[in-house]
This record gives sequence, structure tokens and C-alpha cells, in this order.
Amino acid sequence: EDKVVQSPLSLVVHEGDTVTLNCSYEVTNFRSLLWYKQEKKAPTFLFMLTSSGIEKKSGRLSSILDKKELFSILNITATQTGDSAIYLCAVENQGGKLIFGQGTELSVKP
Amino acid sequence: GAGVSQTPSNKVTEKGKYVELRCDPISGHTALYWYRQSLGQGPEFLIYFQGTGAADDSGLPNDRFFAVRPEGSVSTLKIQRTERGDSAVYLCASSLLAGGRGNEQFFGPGTRLTVL
Repeated sequence: EDKVVQSPLSLVVHEGDTVTLNCSYEVTNFRSLLWYKQEKKAPTFLFMLTSSGIEKKSGRLSSILDKKELFSILNITATQTGDSAIYLCAVENQGGKLIFGQGTELSVKP
Repeated sequence: GAGVSQTPSNKVTEKGKYVELRCDPISGHTALYWYRQSLGQGPEFLIYFQGTGAADDSGLPNDRFFAVRPEGSVSTLKIQRTERGDSAVYLCASSLLAGGRGNEQFFGPGTRLTVL
């Protein structure tokens, strides 16, 4: 059965800290891995990764994929209170279906 | 509007009733997806449409759940004889293409369904 596992499930840090969120997966017919940020209801897209070893960056956020070891990490540097959210990892299969992990709830304290 | 919209934003119903949840995808997006998210969990795939047809309905939990997209745009998720365990946030997403072409899915704000 396809599965995506995220760790940690929750994390509390202070502003300015750097955090690393983990995502491992076992999915047949892998197509891509995606990271989303969910603050209220709608997940908002962060990154899509398809190739190993190529880092994607957007401001203070970056992510990388390892297709041999079947995991990805999402890094956030110099965290701000506005980074507080649930971060979701999802793997897309060849059919276009997304399989989500359970999410990591990040809380950034002032 | 520019994004995916869903109505209603909240729905409270009684056990045994029938409900319909609506999704308006981004204009021009051919693929539409329904997910269900329970508290503390990631979204769980239910069904996706390519155009008017259901390309994959393997996530529908049982035959009380049904979805349609008759004109290839708006979709309605229908739940018959609701049960308390159906309470969740129902999310809709759309993408320009589908079928494993790696296109980003844009999510709507969801409908929070509460079955009393």
C-alpha cells in the first residue's frame, strides 16, 4: 500500500531558528513529490520535486529529494511567526493522484 | 474569481440526511480532484475527474459517496445517508492537466461538514 510518512508530527521553535521537516515515502509509480503549507483550510503550493539532488529554493525555504533513499526534506531558515502552519508532503503517482502524509505542525514563537 | 471555490464553507447536518458539496475549479483546468481531511491528518484522495469522466474513483469509501462533473467544469460531491464518521473538511483541487504530467494542484478553501 502506498504511504507517505512525515516527521516530526509537531515542532515548536523560536523566531530565528532553522527547522528541517522530513518526508519519507513508499509509492509505486512515483511521478513527483510536492510540499504544501496549510494555514487555515486550503493547502498552498510550495515546491514540486521530480529529480534527485536538485535543491529548490524560495526565499528562506528550500527542499531536496532523494529518490534512492525515498525521502525529501524541507528546510526553513530564520523562521518567523508567519511560518507557523501545517506543512504537508504529498507524492504524486503516474495517474496524477496525490498521496499525502499526515503533516508536520510547526509553531514559531516570538 | 481566480482560484478554486467551494460552497458551502460550512455544512451541519443530521445523521441520515443527504448533502451536496460544490466545487468550482479554476477556469480552463481539465482535471478536478476531491479529498477529505480529518482532524490531525493529511488530505485523503477520494476521486478525480479528467473532463466529465471519473478517471479514478478508488478513494470513495463506499457507495454512499458519489460525484459528478456533467459539463467538465463544476463538480458536486454527493453523500447519502450521512454518518457521524463522514464529518471532515472536504477539499477540492484542480490542475491544468492530469494523468501524471506533474501539474500543480490548486486547492479550494474546503467545506467543513459536521454530521450530528
